Parts: sequence; C-alpha cells; structure tokens
Amino acid sequence: EPEVTQTPSHQVTQMGQEVILRCVPISNHLYFYWYRQILGQKVEFLVSFYNNEISEKSEIFDDQFSVERPDGSNFTLKIRSTKLEDSAMYFCASSLNTAAKNIQYFGAGTRLSVL
Amino acid sequence: AQKVTQAQTEISVVEKEDVTLDCVYETRDTTYYLFWYKQPPSGELVFLIRRNSFDEQNEISGRYSWNFQKSTSSFNFTITASQVVDSAVYFCALSESNSGTYKYIFGTGTRLKVLA
Repeated sequence: EPEVTQTPSHQVTQMGQEVILRCVPISNHLYFYWYRQILGQKVEFLVSFYNNEISEKSEIFDDQFSVERPDGSNFTLKIRSTKLEDSAMYFCASSLNTAAKNIQYFGAGTRLSVL
Repeated sequence: AQKVTQAQTEISVVEKEDVTLDCVYETRDTTYYLFWYKQPPSGELVFLIRRNSFDEQNEISGRYSWNFQKSTSSFNFTITASQVVDSAVYFCALSESNSGTYKYIFGTGTRLKVLA
C-alpha cells in the first residue's frame, strides 16, 4: 500500500541552525501539506503546495520557513534559523486532489528537537 | 471562523466497554468535510473516516461507528466493545471547500485509554 515517507524520524539541532525535513508523498498525489504538532497539543496547518507553488500558508509559516519540491518526488520543509519554539512533530501529508478525493494521507512525522 | 472542538481531553474505559468521542465543529461553508484520525503511541496519523456535509447517513465499520448531525454540528465517534489496541489519541478534523486547498482544521484531540 502506498504511503507517505518522512525522514529523518528524529532531528536534533542547535538553536539558530538550519534544518531540512524531507518527505516523499504518494506518487500520484498532487497536493502536499506540512502540519506541526507541538508536544501534547493539536495538529496545526503550516502550508499547502500545488503545481510547484504554495497555495496557502498559515501565520505560523513565516519567513523562516520554506518549502520545495526539488525533483518531482521529494517535498521538503526548510527552517532557516531554528528557534526553541520550533521543537515539534512535523507531519507531511499528500492528497490526490481537493474535492472528490481530499483525504490526506500522513507520514509518520519527524520529531524536531531544538536545543 | 472555522473551529473544531473536542471537549473530552481524556477518557478511560475498561476493555469491552463502549465509548463515544465527541466532536463539534463550526463553519460558515455549506460544503465541507469531516474526518477522524487515530494517533497511536507510535505517533503517526491514521485515517479512519471522511464524511461530506451532504451525507448525514451514519456509518458503521466493524466496531467503529460515526454519527453525523448537521443540526447540532456534531460528528461523534463510537467504539463498541473497546480493546486495549484502541488506546490512542483521536483527532476530529474539518476541511472546507472555500479554503481552496482543503486544509485541515484539527480539534485538540481526545486521549482514549482502554484498560485491560
């Protein structure tokens, strides 16, 4: 069964460092998303990506964040200069399209720990 | 504004008991979708069900059943004869057609503990 794959499963970094979280969405999906879950809290939308551009972003997704689909299979989230409050679980999701089949399938997440 | 409320933070039941997880949503959109996801201790989000706003039929899948009532803006989830493996955090989510991207708005989750 196709699945969304995220690497690494756990990333530890120092404050101020750049991190790149990687995701391989399901191959025929067209819409890609990043969500964040701070420990013990709800899952929050960060950004959606379609047709090689950002289609929507939340207020959390500030200039420190960027997304890219560099090679047609990977979908990455970059945090330019990490802060302590960026520590969270980051989920990547993909869906086939928006209306008829808008079920988002999630990866297992990357736990980011900023020290 | 869109919002999903899961008022039950944590529920503990003994195995074989039935349990209902509540979800109340707010939206101004007439076309929207509701979802339930399970987050087991391993952390991944597992899709359980999607329901669109035009389909109020209740659904049953094995021990799981869902009750969608537009009149009360609720989409409740019942597990019958709960098992220890059902222990997880359960999230209700809303997706609106007018958002353009159908992003999810999640509730805060309900942690279900099923005791042997």
